Amino acid sequence: KQEVTQIPAALSVPEGENLVLNCSFTDSAIYNLQWFRQDPGKGLTSLLLIQSSQREQTSGRLNASLDKSSGRSTLYIAASQPGDSATYLCAVIRVRANNLFFGTGTRLTVIP
Amino acid sequence: DVKVTQSSRYLVKRTGEKVFLECVQDMDHENMFWYRQDPGLGLRLIYFSYDVKMKEKGDIPEGYSVSREKKERFSLILESASTNQTSMYLCASSSNLVLYEQYFGPGTRLTVT
Repeated sequence: KQEVTQIPAALSVPEGENLVLNCSFTDSAIYNLQWFRQDPGKGLTSLLLIQSSQREQTSGRLNASLDKSSGRSTLYIAASQPGDSATYLCAVIRVRANNLFFGTGTRLTVIP
Repeated sequence: DVKVTQSSRYLVKRTGEKVFLECVQDMDHENMFWYRQDPGLGLRLIYFSYDVKMKEKGDIPEGYSVSREKKERFSLILESASTNQTSMYLCASSSNLVLYEQYFGPGTRLTVT
């Protein structure tokens, strides 16, 4: 069964710092990987989706990379802002399955 | 923009009650999903549907059923609510044509007393 791990579980950084969030998965037979943001008590907002054939995707200050062979993805956030404070979740879709397997998330706090 | 809406943000029910949670999406997506989210356990898939009147069990279907009579609407039913079903419930939808990217609703916080 696919397992998705996110380390660290929580992270605090000062405003302006660049940071990296990590995601690892056990089964490399994935179709795509999706990064989400979740604010307290709210639903999930999709940030980036990377197809299994891609190495990275960028959106504004966010850059997500994927190394399928090693079962790893990273989310890079440049010049962090207090508004980036949220929980970040990664999820993978396995080949021939259309449901997501989620990590338990990294709770990010950006200190002004 | 894709919009996924859920019928209630907060719901309080008593043990033994029948509970309906409704989800509607406006993008003609084929696939719809129900998850629950609990601290320390993350999101877990309850049921999903890849077409009208079709359903598949997820990881934790016990105590739940679903209904999809129309493409845009996916309902989660708790036949007899129990306190261990107190949770945040999240609905999502995706299209087979767009790499299965999932879009989520705002969630329903259900408390069973």
